[in-house]
Amino acid sequence: GAVVSQHPSWVICKSGTSVKIECRSLDFQATTMFWYRQFPKQSLMLMATSNEGSKATYEQGVEKDKFLINHASLTLSTLTVTSAHPEDSSFYICSAWVFGYGFSEAFFGQGTRLTVV
Amino acid sequence: GESVGLHLPTLSVQEGDNSIINCAYSNSASDYFIWYKQESGKGPQFIIDIRSNMDKRQGQRVTVLLNKTVKHLSLQIAATQPGDSAVYFCAENIEEDTGRRALTFGSGTRLQVQP
Repeated sequence: GAVVSQHPSWVICKSGTSVKIECRSLDFQATTMFWYRQFPKQSLMLMATSNEGSKATYEQGVEKDKFLINHASLTLSTLTVTSAHPEDSSFYICSAWVFGYGFSEAFFGQGTRLTVV
Repeated sequence: GESVGLHLPTLSVQEGDNSIINCAYSNSASDYFIWYKQESGKGPQFIIDIRSNMDKRQGQRVTVLLNKTVKHLSLQIAATQPGDSAVYFCAENIEEDTGRRALTFGSGTRLQVQP
């Protein structure tokens, strides 16, 4: 079945550094991908919608200059957390829809655990 | 916005019992609903979905009920097993926006299955 893959699965970085997270659709093309953030014991909250070949759309309260999104191809979207701070420590998850004859399903990556120290 | 400082509600059941997890959704325009299972440190996994033209749908050991009048969903798991222990989220969408619009997730319920 369709797979969405994220890399890395976990990362630890120092405050002030930048971290890039990749989201790939492995056997399908995705013109749109979604980035979520999940804090411990909370639900998934949409951060931004990544659009292939155009600018991402950010949710209210999400700083676009801090969370840089690039969707340069139909199978890859990247999220770069710039100048990371401990409060950015979270579980980041990407998602993409797969369409078939008479069905659609949202697939999620396995998530990236970011810890900023 | 995000809920800060809340703990997930927990449902604790004995192995073999049936589990019922509830969810209230907020958008009356939503017409497509999905239940996801999330294990620790992993992304959400699809369990079952339902469209607004139905009020019940059954899968393998799972049943989803939809009450549009009160904007309520429930997930029933029959003969709950230890492997069912996870956090369960409902998600809603507007079907005509599928692909362009992200799912909106509910707050989640932790299911603990006691052996």
